[in-house]
Amino acid sequence: AQSVTQPDIHITVSEGASLELRCNYSYGATPYLFWYVQSPGQGLQLLLKYFSGDTLVQGIKGFEAEFKRSQSSFNLRKPSVHWSDAAEYFCAVLLDSGGYQKVTFGIGTKLQVIP
Amino acid sequence: GAVVSQHPSRVICKSGTSVKIECRSLDFQATTMFWYRQFPKKSLMLMATSNEGSKATYEQGVEKDKFLINHASLTLSTLTVTSAHPEDSSFYICSAGTTLYNEQFFGPGTRLTVL
Repeated sequence: AQSVTQPDIHITVSEGASLELRCNYSYGATPYLFWYVQSPGQGLQLLLKYFSGDTLVQGIKGFEAEFKRSQSSFNLRKPSVHWSDAAEYFCAVLLDSGGYQKVTFGIGTKLQVIP
Repeated sequence: GAVVSQHPSRVICKSGTSVKIECRSLDFQATTMFWYRQFPKKSLMLMATSNEGSKATYEQGVEKDKFLINHASLTLSTLTVTSAHPEDSSFYICSAGTTLYNEQFFGPGTRLTVL
């Protein structure tokens, strides 16, 4: 069964500092990978996704993520964090098998940004 | 990207009543819709998967008689929480998928509070 691990439940960074949120997955093949952001009381917003091709993907709001097959990782990065980036971030894996789709989410990483 | 709406965004009801939540794909036909539940400070847990015109497939531990799911058309799925209890209070999020996209599109969520 596929699984997603986000080892950091809570991260605090200073505004302007760089950010890296970790995500590891367990899946037999190359999965479809996603990062979502959720503000309090809101739904999910897609930041970026990886299906195939270039392993470094660019997303919205200045985020990027790098797929590393050897490490089964898909870490999210941002070079300079803004206070508005404070939110919960979820890594997700989509299994698509013959038209059957299932998304598995990581537990989430809560990002706090301090001035 | 594709747009998914949910209605209502927030609902408060008395214990013992039933509540219906609608999920609509606004600009595409969703062959499959998914319902998730998110507990406070927790990740999203898949409750059930529904395909248009057929019975929903529930995840282990989800009571199908309590959480009734109907997927009557390619653009509408409903989740009815029957005989709601305070422990059913949660954030419910739907998503919609199609064989055309290796991705699910998420609704903004519905906050259910049962008094």
